[in-house]
Amino acid sequence: DGGITQSPKYLFRKEGQNVTLSCEQNLNHDAMYWYRQDPGQGLRLIYYSQIVNDFQKGDIAEGYSVSREKKESFPLTVTSAQKNPTAFYLCASKPGGLPNTEAFFGQGTRLTVV
Amino acid sequence: DQQVKQNSPSLSVQEGRISILNCDYTNSMFDYFLWYKKYPAEGPTFLISISSIKDKNEDGRFTVFLNKSAKHLSLHIVPSQPGDSAVYFCAATGSYNTDKLIFGTGTRLQVFP
Repeated sequence: DGGITQSPKYLFRKEGQNVTLSCEQNLNHDAMYWYRQDPGQGLRLIYYSQIVNDFQKGDIAEGYSVSREKKESFPLTVTSAQKNPTAFYLCASKPGGLPNTEAFFGQGTRLTVV
Repeated sequence: DQQVKQNSPSLSVQEGRISILNCDYTNSMFDYFLWYKKYPAEGPTFLISISSIKDKNEDGRFTVFLNKSAKHLSLHIVPSQPGDSAVYFCAATGSYNTDKLIFGTGTRLQVFP
């Protein structure tokens, strides 16, 4: 059945290491997103992509990188330059370029830096 | 700069009564607004939306009201049920970029018996 899959659900990283979070969707959506959730700060947009091989910075892109080589996949790399990477990360997708449509979310990945 | 704000971090309501969650926005280019519900350690799920050409949209127990002049929207849940206890996020987007979806800070709703 259709949906968005994020993996892994829990991830531990040592300080100074890069780590990549996976996001795959089979909804045939053009637009994909990465958000970060921290207590009291809601969902903040990291990066989004409207089409394959294109992506845009969100409000808090520093220390993160993404790629969009395939329509189905939008992996997020948390680099060692991200000062405070411990957070709950959410991936979403929606039909691209269409007004008045909602986004669908994955189940999230909790990243902890140890 | 927080373009979508939910000024009440939490709300507690008795079962059967009305819950009113509020959201304010600053960007006058926003023209489509959504409400999502989120349980801990899960992804948000879509609840209800409203286009700026309307001022009200209903879906069962959920109604969203939009006041464009005040740049304010609210979600009403009537009657509130214990299963409604969750964090609620409002979100906004605009026809200038229908793919950029901005979320608010969230309001934690607790419905008690």
